Amino acid sequence: NAGVTQTPKFRVLKTGQSMTLLCAQDMNHEYMYWYRQDPGMGLRLIHYSVGEGTTAKGEVPDGYNVSRLKKQNFLLGLESAAPSQTSVYFCASSPRRVNQPQHFGDGTRLSIL
Amino acid sequence: QKEVEQDPGPLSVPEGAIVSLNCTYSNSAFQYFMWYRQYSRKGPELLMYTYSSGNKEDGRFTAQVDKSSKYISLFIRDSQPSDSATYLCAMINTGFQKLVFGTGTRLLVSP
Repeated sequence: NAGVTQTPKFRVLKTGQSMTLLCAQDMNHEYMYWYRQDPGMGLRLIHYSVGEGTTAKGEVPDGYNVSRLKKQNFLLGLESAAPSQTSVYFCASSPRRVNQPQHFGDGTRLSIL
Repeated sequence: QKEVEQDPGPLSVPEGAIVSLNCTYSNSAFQYFMWYRQYSRKGPELLMYTYSSGNKEDGRFTAQVDKSSKYISLFIRDSQPSDSATYLCAMINTGFQKLVFGTGTRLLVSP
């Protein structure tokens, strides 16, 4: 009963490097989301997807790109990492029915030096 | 001003105490309200989900929504050390998919 799985769990990058965070869900959910969580700021939405092949910007999209090539996967990319992107990143998913709560993975802790 | 305000705590209580966690919000369009529990180094876990005003009870947990005051609460009865976590409130506009979160209240229950 995996739910939402995020890989990797931890990563340290140098400024300017690129990487991709992977999110996979096995609940057949239509909607998927990427958040970052920073102390005192709470959870902030980066990008989201309402279905395979679709993506949309959230509250803090700059510096990130996403892709949803398969319904069960949602990828978050950092093209040129900056220290300001040091954070804990959470992926979530929810069913297609409106106003449904979201189910979260356990996060990826990313440090950018 | 943030759309959702939540006291960050920490809130420290002895085991067995009744805990009250609260959020206020400014957007009257919010109709669906959630409480998530987040243990250290884990993702948020859905605890309670309510629609509009009123109370909802689930075991030791009661969620209360007062839309007239734009105020929601989570009560925990007979608190346990295992309840020590950060509690996040969240809410959605009607017909909207994006959650708005509070910053979370850290709760510490001592044995």
